Amino acid sequence: EDQVTQSPEALRLQEGESSSLNCSYTVSGLRGLFWYRQDPGKGPEFLFTLYSAGEEKEKERLKATLTKKESFLHITAPKPEDSATYLCAVQPPMGDDKIIFGKGTRLHILP
Amino acid sequence: DAGITQSPRHKVTETGTPVTLRCHQTENHRYMYWYRQDPGHGLRLIHYSYGVKDTDKGEVSDGYSVSRSKTEDFLLTLESATSSQTSVYFCAIGSSRRRSETQYFGPGTRLLVL
Repeated sequence: EDQVTQSPEALRLQEGESSSLNCSYTVSGLRGLFWYRQDPGKGPEFLFTLYSAGEEKEKERLKATLTKKESFLHITAPKPEDSATYLCAVQPPMGDDKIIFGKGTRLHILP
Repeated sequence: DAGITQSPRHKVTETGTPVTLRCHQTENHRYMYWYRQDPGHGLRLIHYSYGVKDTDKGEVSDGYSVSRSKTEDFLLTLESATSSQTSVYFCAIGSSRRRSETQYFGPGTRLLVL
């Protein structure tokens, strides 16, 4: 069964303390890997799509990377406004229109 | 929210009553999805649509039905609501980019079944 596992479940950092969130997956023939940010009481907000191993995408203090078995979301010098739940999702090979979500990592940045 | 609205945003209902949630998009996207989000489970797919009148089941479809009579509207019906269907429901639309479908989410509907 295709699975997506995110770690850690929760992470508390001081403002400015860089770290990484992990998303590991068992899907083979990945069509796309997605990162979302979700604030309390709101819908997930799209951040990045990665398509192949070695690919990297950046947006402000966030950088997403992809290998054949996992993806990392690196957060550099985070600010309190980066506090949110970060969701990872993968899309299996062609012919399957669904995507599989991980349970997310709750990130809290202390001022 | 990528031109996606959901209604109602909050609803309280009683066990055994039918409930319909509406998702409306202004992006003219082909794909639309309904998810539920519960603590400890993350987002789980209920049903999805790949065109007008074309729908398919997701991971947790029992007790739910959907309809799509227009490109812009996707309805989710709880045929006879149960307490286990208390959840936050999200609609998403799919935008094809390269080989994959990036999904954009609506603001959610918080449903409480008493």
